[in-house]
Amino acid sequence: DAKTTQPTSMDCAEGRAANLPCNHSTISGNEYVYWYRQIHSQGPQYIIHGLKNNETNEMASLIITEDRKSSTLILPHATLRDTAVYYCIVRVASGYSTLTFGKGTMLLVSP
Amino acid sequence: DSGVTQTPKHLITATGQRVTLRCSPRSGDLSVYWYQQSLDQGLQFLIQYYNGEERAKGNILERFSAQQFPDLHSELNLSSLELGDSALYFCASSTGGGATTDTQYFGPGTRLTVL
Repeated sequence: DAKTTQPTSMDCAEGRAANLPCNHSTISGNEYVYWYRQIHSQGPQYIIHGLKNNETNEMASLIITEDRKSSTLILPHATLRDTAVYYCIVRVASGYSTLTFGKGTMLLVSP
Repeated sequence: DSGVTQTPKHLITATGQRVTLRCSPRSGDLSVYWYQQSLDQGLQFLIQYYNGEERAKGNILERFSAQQFPDLHSELNLSSLELGDSALYFCASSTGGGATTDTQYFGPGTRLTVL
């Protein structure tokens, strides 16, 4: 699976959009981008995933650049409960692959 | 609440001992995954079982073993415990056998402290 690079930490004001970037410049055409988050010491929580098109669900939006070398997870109206470590993970689309967690981005949402 | 349950929540034991961690997957899920999260190593995949059979192995030590029972719950056995085994242990489950499109849902974890 391709390697990902994320900023170590980010800050966001409550109520504003949080935009979390992820670089995956070596991604292959058959690899998905997955996002999970982990609120302090809780189990990781699935957020969203995508292959090439932008995706949106009730939690977030995922914007993948046309060349697929980077993506952005958007939390449209961040709340204090969104403070967590966010992991961007690339996984091969076909067959089997495990989840490999990197260090992620620590997002701190402040009042 | 992901629907995955883990017991116990906390476990404190001594070096050299053996412990068993238990996981019940979400209803209908056939795969169970075990992960270890320590301060220095981050979240690491240990092992996966699918419908009772071992499907994939990650960085699991030989002192550790797991199994999945006919009712699909799983147990992770840790033996000859060392101080470095102190960590959070998470279980996750998914519907299928671990294909990329399978979403894994994580339990709340068991915090193991080895003294």
